[in-house]
Amino acid sequence: NAGVTQTPKFRVLKTGQSMTLLCAQDMNHEYMYWYRQDPGMGLRLIHYSVGEGTTAKGEVPDGYNVSRLKKQNFLLGLESAAPSQTSVYFCASRRDNQPQHFGDGTRLSIL
Amino acid sequence: EDQVTQSPEALRLQEGESSSLNCSYTVSGLRGLFWYRQDPGKGPEFLFTLYSAGEEKEKERLKATLTKKESFLHITAPKPEDSATYLCAVQAIYGNKLVFGAGTILRVKS
Repeated sequence: NAGVTQTPKFRVLKTGQSMTLLCAQDMNHEYMYWYRQDPGMGLRLIHYSVGEGTTAKGEVPDGYNVSRLKKQNFLLGLESAAPSQTSVYFCASRRDNQPQHFGDGTRLSIL
Repeated sequence: EDQVTQSPEALRLQEGESSSLNCSYTVSGLRGLFWYRQDPGKGPEFLFTLYSAGEEKEKERLKATLTKKESFLHITAPKPEDSATYLCAVQAIYGNKLVFGAGTILRVKS
């Protein structure tokens, strides 16, 4: 049982490049979340989904887009990367009335 | 606006020296308060959920308690392997999201 798997684990981008981060869960969870974690600021919610085909904005959505075409996958896109988006990105999932389970993160550097 | 404040930011303990971490919160109706542990280079790992004031939960050397304004994570006779960042988060009664505090970095020296 893999749980929540994030791909890639590390990535370096140049300013203006685009990329997609993939989150996959094998627990048949309805809810999925994307967070960023920066030193001293804790986890901040970017976007989330309450089910297949749905997405909603979190606390810091600007510069990011998401899609949930399949229940098990939640994609986070950066259309034009900026240095301010250098961070560690975490994906989480849960079923109703249960705690969130997290992946091990994607470390993203934008030069 | 829901808010979570954790203190202290960092805590250094000697092995066996018991202490407590604090999580103060404001939320528009509490659905649940969550404690997570995060090791370097890893994602947060779930520890406890508390739902109402007066509730307590224990796991090995950890005990979490809840009042209407704050939660404490008590660590009894800690060991070096308890070293980690401990995160607190709240979920509002009508929400699907967690609001996290910035965390407390715990270092336990032998």
